[in-house]
Formats: sequence, C-alpha cells, structure tokens
Amino acid sequence: KQEVTQIPAALSVPEGENLVLNCSFTDSAIYNLQWFRQDPGKGLTSLLLIQSSQREQTSGRLNASLDKSSGRSTLYIAASQPGDSATYLCAVDLYTSGTYKYIFGTGTRLKVLA
Amino acid sequence: GAGVSQTPSNKVTEKGKYVELRCDPISGHTALYWYRQSLGQGPEFLIYFQGTGAADDSGLPNDRFFAVRPEGSVSTLKIQRTERGDSAVYLCASSLGGTGSYNEQFFGPGTRLTVL
Repeated sequence: KQEVTQIPAALSVPEGENLVLNCSFTDSAIYNLQWFRQDPGKGLTSLLLIQSSQREQTSGRLNASLDKSSGRSTLYIAASQPGDSATYLCAVDLYTSGTYKYIFGTGTRLKVLA
Repeated sequence: GAGVSQTPSNKVTEKGKYVELRCDPISGHTALYWYRQSLGQGPEFLIYFQGTGAADDSGLPNDRFFAVRPEGSVSTLKIQRTERGDSAVYLCASSLGGTGSYNEQFFGPGTRLTVL
C-alpha cells in the first residue's frame, strides 16, 4: 500500500531563510508528483507538478525535485516570506487496482516569522 | 469563473439527515475528483469521474455515499443518513484529462460539513 510521509510536520523559520520540505513515498511506480499549498480554511493551490520522467520543476522561488528510485521529493523555498506561511502538501499519482489515484501526505505546516 | 467552485461553502446538518454537495469543475475538464479532508490530515480520495462515469469509486467509505455527474460537468456528492463521523471538509478537483496523463489537479475551496 502506497504511503506518503511528509517531514517535518511543522516548521517555523525567520523571514529570509531558505528551507526544504520533504516528501517520501513507499511505491516508486508513480506517474506524477504534485506539490500544493493550503491556506487555513481554504482549498488547495497547485504549486508544481513533476512528471515521472522529470527530475525537477521550478516556479519563481520554488523548486521541486523528484527521485523516484529513492522514493523522495523535496520542495525548496528560497528567501522565505511571511506570505509563504501555509500548509504544504505533496501528492503522488499512483496506478493501483486498475486506475490512477492521488495519494496525499499529511502536510508540513510552515510559519515564516517577520 | 476560471476555477473550480463548490457550494455550499458550509453545511450544518443533524445526524440522520441527507445532504448534497455540489461541484462545478473548470470548463472543459473531463476528469473530476472528490476528496474528504479531516482536520490535520491530507485529503483522502473518494471518487474519480472521467466524463459522466465513475472510473474509480473505491474511496467511498460505505453505501451512504454516492456521487453523480450526469452531463459530464457538474457533480453532486450525496450523503444519506449522515453521521457525526462524516464531519469534514469535502474537496472537489478537476483536471483536463485523468490521472496518469500528466494533468494537474485544480481544487475548489471545499465544503465544510458539520454533522451535529
């Protein structure tokens, strides 16, 4: 059974720091991996999608990498800002029981202090 | 409206009642997904539609839960005989294709269901 784990569960950093959020998955036969941001009481905002054939994707201050063989993805946030405070979720697109399905981690709650 | 919309944003009901939650996907998106998110957890897959048909309903917890998408756009999640344990945020997402086709999922704001 695919399990997705995110470490750390919570993180508090001063403004301006570069930081790394980790996502690990137990089944390497994934199709995509997607990183999301969720603000309190809100839905999910897609940040980056990495296809299984790719190793990384970049958008502004965000960079996500994927190592399928080791079952890991990292989300790198450069020069963090208070507006980055949110919960960050990763999800893997896994083929199981005849269909593809997104399995989510439990998220990392990030607080960036001004 | 460019994004996924969900109505109502909040729903409070009593145990045993029937509720319907609505999702309007992004126009042109053939794939639609329902998830349930409990406090402090990631979203949990419920059901996936490709067009009008449910391609995968393996995440529905029991037969009190049912979802339809009769015309391949708007979807309704229906919960019968609600229980307190059904309280959660119900999220809807859509994508241009289906999972496994390199398509991003775009999420709505969710419906917060509270069963008293």
